[in-house]
Amino acid sequence: RKEVEQDPGPFNVPEGATVAFNCTYSNSASQSFFWYRQDCRKEPKLLMSVYSSGNEDGRFTAQLNRASQYISLLIRDSKLSDSATYLCVVNIDNQGGKLIFGQGTELSVKP
Amino acid sequence: DGGITQSPKYLFRKEGQNVTLSCEQNLNHDAMYWYRQDPGQGLRLIYYSQIVNDFQKGDIAEGYSVSREKKESFPLTVTSAQKNPTAFYLCASATVGAGGRTQYFGPGTRLLVL
Repeated sequence: RKEVEQDPGPFNVPEGATVAFNCTYSNSASQSFFWYRQDCRKEPKLLMSVYSSGNEDGRFTAQLNRASQYISLLIRDSKLSDSATYLCVVNIDNQGGKLIFGQGTELSVKP
Repeated sequence: DGGITQSPKYLFRKEGQNVTLSCEQNLNHDAMYWYRQDPGQGLRLIYYSQIVNDFQKGDIAEGYSVSREKKESFPLTVTSAQKNPTAFYLCASATVGAGGRTQYFGPGTRLLVL
């Protein structure tokens, strides 16, 4: 079993749609959680950290369920510019800072 | 400008050759990391360093070497022992924040074997 698993993609949605990505992690000792966005042939960029109480940043909402070891990302009112690969990332050790990356879910927003 | 720089953007390696990828940051981050990304796959950790003159192996360190002589710099050498070096190499540095260690990435180096 992979340490971090994401929904298989690609997700093809029309502009304005709401889309949700799911991610599960296997290490119950995981301490911090992130969503990164990666455009084609570019480096990953931090989209948002995920807090235990859930958090929102504009059209983006992240949720964490520690009991189920599950993380989600909700994108409302999708824009063409949201097209990218979304990486679920888990930090199993805040001291060492070792991140475990999911393989990513590709999103394509169409006009 | 504050940030992480990597050079070169593209690098070609001949069989049996060692090549060194540069990574520099002026963010005053203590921790630095090297990852490898293959097409359609997630990032895999090669080496990381939490402090100057110290570094640890990641999950796929074989065939690679690093040094951390300065806080700002963390070069990666891909040695001839690495049999499948073609990949996208990403360097990151980290700060500790409310969400744990947040890593920021450089633009990457694409290594191709001739």
